[in-house]
Amino acid sequence: EIVLTQSPGTLSLSTGERATLSCRASQSVRNNYLAWYQQKPGQAPRLVIYGASTRATGIPVRFSGSGSGTDFTLAISRLEPEDFAVYYCQQYDSSPPELTFGGGTKVEMK
Amino acid sequence: QVHLVQSGADVKKPGASVKVSCKASGYTFTSYGITWVRQAPGQGPEWMGWINVYNGNTNYAQKFQGRVSMTTDTSTSTAYMELRSLTSDDTALYFCARFVSGFYYYFDFWGQGTLVTVSS
Repeated sequence: EIVLTQSPGTLSLSTGERATLSCRASQSVRNNYLAWYQQKPGQAPRLVIYGASTRATGIPVRFSGSGSGTDFTLAISRLEPEDFAVYYCQQYDSSPPELTFGGGTKVEMK
Repeated sequence: QVHLVQSGADVKKPGASVKVSCKASGYTFTSYGITWVRQAPGQGPEWMGWINVYNGNTNYAQKFQGRVSMTTDTSTSTAYMELRSLTSDDTALYFCARFVSGFYYYFDFWGQGTLVTVSS
């Protein structure tokens, strides 16, 4: 099973600052099998990025995804108040078919 | 627009089973899979498995094999997840989500979640 490790656990930033979130995999992940989700308290996760770098429908351009192999990054160029949330990366492994989530990074207001 | 509406909260005793429903609307139900993800209090999401709505094929996470069943009723565009032999560790918020697979693998629309509490 591929394990995803996210860092840091918590990111304390102010509105307008840049956020950089890391997701490291224990084995290589195909780019098109890596996604990022945003979750706010009491809500379901919301798809932010799929295919490692493609923004989901309705996601602002300040969100960007990058990376390959075992190292992936989600960046938020300038934080808006609605961006403070927990972010999870997720990968799919085809052999055997399994899907895992990372432990999450909480982006909190400083 | 796409909506997934889940059944209400449930309380079960240890050893019992729970069945959660997920009614889809706003798209062709058989064109996408449905996945189930749970989230224990204060924890991250945990994938349980998915079902190919078109042909009924399922793929369960190893952890839940033998204890979970995922089915669909295409006449009502409803998916179901049944979890058996419940313990307190199964207390969690259970989500269904629409599953995009093939070249990409991700979940693009989610239900609101169903809280399942296992307590004696």
